Amino acid sequence: DAGVTQSPTHLIKTRGQQVTLRCSPKSGHDTVSWYQQALGQGPQFIFQYYEEEERQRGNFPDRFSGHQFPNYSSELNVNALLLGDSALYLCASSLGYHRVAFFGQGTRLTVV
Amino acid sequence: DAKTTQPTSMDCAEGRAANLPCNHSTISGNEYVYWYRQIHSQGPQYIIHGLKNNETNEMASLIITEDRKSSTLILPHATLRDTAVYYCIVRVLLAGGTSYGKLTFGQGTILTVHP
Repeated sequence: DAGVTQSPTHLIKTRGQQVTLRCSPKSGHDTVSWYQQALGQGPQFIFQYYEEEERQRGNFPDRFSGHQFPNYSSELNVNALLLGDSALYLCASSLGYHRVAFFGQGTRLTVV
Repeated sequence: DAKTTQPTSMDCAEGRAANLPCNHSTISGNEYVYWYRQIHSQGPQYIIHGLKNNETNEMASLIITEDRKSSTLILPHATLRDTAVYYCIVRVLLAGGTSYGKLTFGQGTILTVHP
């Protein structure tokens, strides 16, 4: 049983560019959340998708957007990249938003 | 979500029990205590969660005080592979309502297991 898978594992982008990160939830899970983890900090909640809708959002600007597909997979899009967007981006999935969340290994984004 | 307080770092000898404390004095009646850990550069790993009763699984035990204002995660026989950052999180975990179960991470406790 595959766990939460994220792609790509590493990515380097230039300031001002746009990036799309992808997440496939654990088999049987229908809820996906995204987190940003800066170096030396705990993960910070970006937003959560359930039934293809954004259900809850953290304190992140509109440059951060997402989508959930009918197969429950999800994308995180970040526009107009800033150097400060360099971080580990984590995806977590659960069966319903009220169940235990399991994390993927993350995508390491570096903005230069 | 209630705020948690954890020691910045702790040490433990290999083979001994590691007891990681967490203070959550403002916890509400509908909030569970969750523990995750994160080994360097990997995604957080779920360990255990509980509401008010003590819980045990194959990884650890969770002891929650009767007033629910603090808890302790116990790794009964720590190994070098248990070296990680341990996060204590309180989370509303009831279906429905306006909370969708986000996890609010603090700084966590850096546990170092020594040979």
